[in-house]
Amino acid sequence: GAGVSQSPRYKVAKRGQDVALRCDPISGHVSLFWYQQALGQGPEFLTYFQNEAQLDKSGLPSDRFFAERPEGSVSTLKIQRTQQEDSAVYLCASSLMDTQYFGPGTRLTVL
Amino acid sequence: AQSVTQLDSQVPVFEEAPVELRCNYSSSVSVYLFWYVQYPNQGLQLLLKYLSGSTLVKGINGFEAEFNKSQTSFHLRKPSVHISDTAEYFCAVSEGGAQKLVFGQGTRLTINP
Repeated sequence: GAGVSQSPRYKVAKRGQDVALRCDPISGHVSLFWYQQALGQGPEFLTYFQNEAQLDKSGLPSDRFFAERPEGSVSTLKIQRTQQEDSAVYLCASSLMDTQYFGPGTRLTVL
Repeated sequence: AQSVTQLDSQVPVFEEAPVELRCNYSSSVSVYLFWYVQYPNQGLQLLLKYLSGSTLVKGINGFEAEFNKSQTSFHLRKPSVHISDTAEYFCAVSEGGAQKLVFGQGTRLTINP
């Protein structure tokens, strides 16, 4: 079956621009996670949804980062006024129980 | 707070040789443990997981890992590697269920012919 999909796969933004990253989870998966992976590092947790409820946003680095999942399926991660330090791969994962399945990621480059 | 340490940032081995990638974790509660593999420009693919039960876990592509609670380790092993195993490997821990994953820094496995 279809896995987790993310779009766009690559995004280049000028510093100060807003960006929106989309995640389509595996159908029926209740839980959805966002992670940020800096170059040469392991992924770091950003935020977690159970259905449409955002239960944990402790990993969001600043109030410029905002995530939503209004209908409990597709999720969008929005970054306002992007900064160079936001350059990273943003990974989305969905799960039904104990195992997270990851999408291919969106590589964001802020110039 | 949980943390994961992958003791080797890079591991070069020759094709058909055995390999062990080391992972240690710290946590104050019972944990679930995972190994993921990341090929260039791709997301993370699950290799294997330990939730409970037998401490020796077998995964895909001939990999296995052993959970050692006393040493808080979860090392990944393969008896004979192939060129296609060249990738980045991540160890991760969670407190179970629908909980966030805490990842190590990754180990780059390079297979030389």
